[in-house]
Amino acid sequence: NAGVTQTPKFQVLKTGQSMTLQCAQDMNHNSMYWYRQDPGMGLRLIYYSASEGTTDKGEVPNGYNVSRLNKREFSLRLESAAPSQTSVYFCASTTRRARRDEQFFGPGTRLTVL
Amino acid sequence: AQTVTQSQPEMSVQEAETVTLSCTYDTSESDYYLFWYKQPPSRQMILVIRQEAYKQQNATENRFSVNFQKAAKSFSLKISDSQLGDAAMYFCAYRRGMYSGGGADGLTFGKGTHLIIQP
Repeated sequence: NAGVTQTPKFQVLKTGQSMTLQCAQDMNHNSMYWYRQDPGMGLRLIYYSASEGTTDKGEVPNGYNVSRLNKREFSLRLESAAPSQTSVYFCASTTRRARRDEQFFGPGTRLTVL
Repeated sequence: AQTVTQSQPEMSVQEAETVTLSCTYDTSESDYYLFWYKQPPSRQMILVIRQEAYKQQNATENRFSVNFQKAAKSFSLKISDSQLGDAAMYFCAYRRGMYSGGGADGLTFGKGTHLIIQP
């Protein structure tokens, strides 16, 4: 099992460019999440998908869109990147039957917007 | 909205000693979960321990234990016999429970405590 995988691992964008961060999980989890982590901060929830076909906003959704492509994949899109979106992005997944209600995290994507 | 506060940006402890990391939270819900996650320099988020709000007994996982004070909304992590591999950022996190309408909610994190282990 690969767990939660994210691509790319690193990315540099110019202001105004667009890109999509990809996330996939092979644990048959229903729920998936996107977080961002800024220096000196904990992770903050951007969007989540409780199950295939549904998405909901989290704490900091502005400037982002998401797509739950199927049960395995949950992508995050930046339509017009801004320097304020420079961050490390984490994808996570879980299921109601997960031991200890654990969310399983991917390795993160470090994004820099110039 | 719920908030999680970690008031210690950094803590330092001698190897083999015991250290306690503090966390307070604010919620009006009755059903919720609290977690401690560890983030080493590799950036990987690792679940250390979890506590259900309705359980009075404090959770324990090997050298890690919590002191859950529900009325005070306090959730501290105690690490016994500290090891060099315990050096990391530690994040306290909160999630609503299913009976509070939070079946698939994301986690709300504190800002973290950087734990340094002195050899």
